[in-house]
Amino acid sequence: QQQVKQSPQSLIVQKGGISIINCAYENTAFDYFPWYQQFPGKGPALLIAIRPDVSEKKEGRFTISFNKSAKQFSLHIMDSQPGDSATYFCAARMDSSYKLIFGSGTRLLVRP
Amino acid sequence: SAVISQKPSRDICQRGTSLTIQCQVDSQVTMMFWYRQQPGQSLTLIATANQGSEATYESGFVIDKFPISRPNLTFSTLTVSNLSPEDSSIYLCSVDGTGFPDTQYFGPGTRLTVL
Repeated sequence: QQQVKQSPQSLIVQKGGISIINCAYENTAFDYFPWYQQFPGKGPALLIAIRPDVSEKKEGRFTISFNKSAKQFSLHIMDSQPGDSATYFCAARMDSSYKLIFGSGTRLLVRP
Repeated sequence: SAVISQKPSRDICQRGTSLTIQCQVDSQVTMMFWYRQQPGQSLTLIATANQGSEATYESGFVIDKFPISRPNLTFSTLTVSNLSPEDSSIYLCSVDGTGFPDTQYFGPGTRLTVL
């Protein structure tokens, strides 16, 4: 119930394409869903986050789509660039606990 | 957002020894967290450290192996004791942000290799 399942494990996209990463959860008490981006040798950095009272949030080329009934959320990277090549982690949290539960990560490679 | 630094950035240690990792934040924060990220894997929370109280450890992590100090609102240390090759990982410090949306900000990590 505490797990967040992430797919795919790795993704290769051509420059200019759309990258889509999916996550699913079971615990309906989760009420905060951030996405983190991690470059090699660096700590994860918050990319974008959403709460379940909205179905979509967009920040620049990055969009989170949230389906509360299906308990799924996804990250869309529009016009993907080689500089987006990194590992992406979805996560979930209950406000009451402060504890982030991370997905397994997706290694994205954007080819020039 | 908070600016977090960690020392050392990397280290190579012999088995049986210990390594203490320092985490410094540029502002006062209530909650600090220590994570482990094994090579190519996701992040696993080791413990939560609040100033003035004992750290709270997650299942599978014990104080004797991972003692933590939190002497003030901007600093914490994690010690990894009695090192074995299985402890080779990246150890990350994070802090809880303030404002909306509350989230966690991560330090750059400490890469530990145990020989």
